[in-house]
Amino acid sequence: EVQLVESGGGLVKPGGSLRLSCAASGFTFSSYSMNWVRQAPGKGLEWVSSISSSSSYIYYADSVKGRFTISRDNAKNSLYLQMNSLRAEDTAVYYCARGMTTVVTGADYWGQGTLVTVSS
Amino acid sequence: QSVLTQPPSASGTPGQRVTISCSGSSSNIGSNYVYWYQQLPGTAPKLLIYRNNQRPSGVPDRFSGSKSGTSASLAISGLRSEDEADYYCAAWDDSLSGSNWVFGGGTKLTVL
Repeated sequence: EVQLVESGGGLVKPGGSLRLSCAASGFTFSSYSMNWVRQAPGKGLEWVSSISSSSSYIYYADSVKGRFTISRDNAKNSLYLQMNSLRAEDTAVYYCARGMTTVVTGADYWGQGTLVTVSS
Repeated sequence: QSVLTQPPSASGTPGQRVTISCSGSSSNIGSNYVYWYQQLPGTAPKLLIYRNNQRPSGVPDRFSGSKSGTSASLAISGLRSEDEADYYCAAWDDSLSGSNWVFGGGTKLTVL
């Protein structure tokens, strides 16, 4: 069974940093691209970043470019999102989602999400 | 404002057929696959349709997707109370500024 478990969320002050993790199990992690998607309270889904299976291709939404860094460790079956210079508008539930192929594409399985709150 | 345009709400009675539209452009729906997600209250999104019209195993055949040009639609037949949820369309967008995965603003489906 495919499982994606996010962790690392919490309360952080504006300008602060946070590192999210996503632990994957139930599939060959190194064969799939991965994504981060967020959802602000009461709002719709917003794509954040994607990474191909071998980390060769990485993409970011304009809203986070230069502040967030996606990475993965295929040996540890883990996906990460380093978030710096956080702003109030980054407050959201952050979902880890598996891509459907080795290259970035739509996602099939999603984790339950981790809440990030940016507030003073 | 979302790159893909969906109606904010839709409704139907049990047993009815409802459709949700998703409008985009040549750089997204017009040239890439469309995905549909269902999000029940308080839960993570669930994949309903991929590659325009393919259903993952376990998704009832009451759900179907289609695409024509720069628009796509999700149809739900035999509407049931448990279909009450938010529905999102998504597609990759390839523009001069780069590739982005874009979502519609979501459609809240109410089963009357």
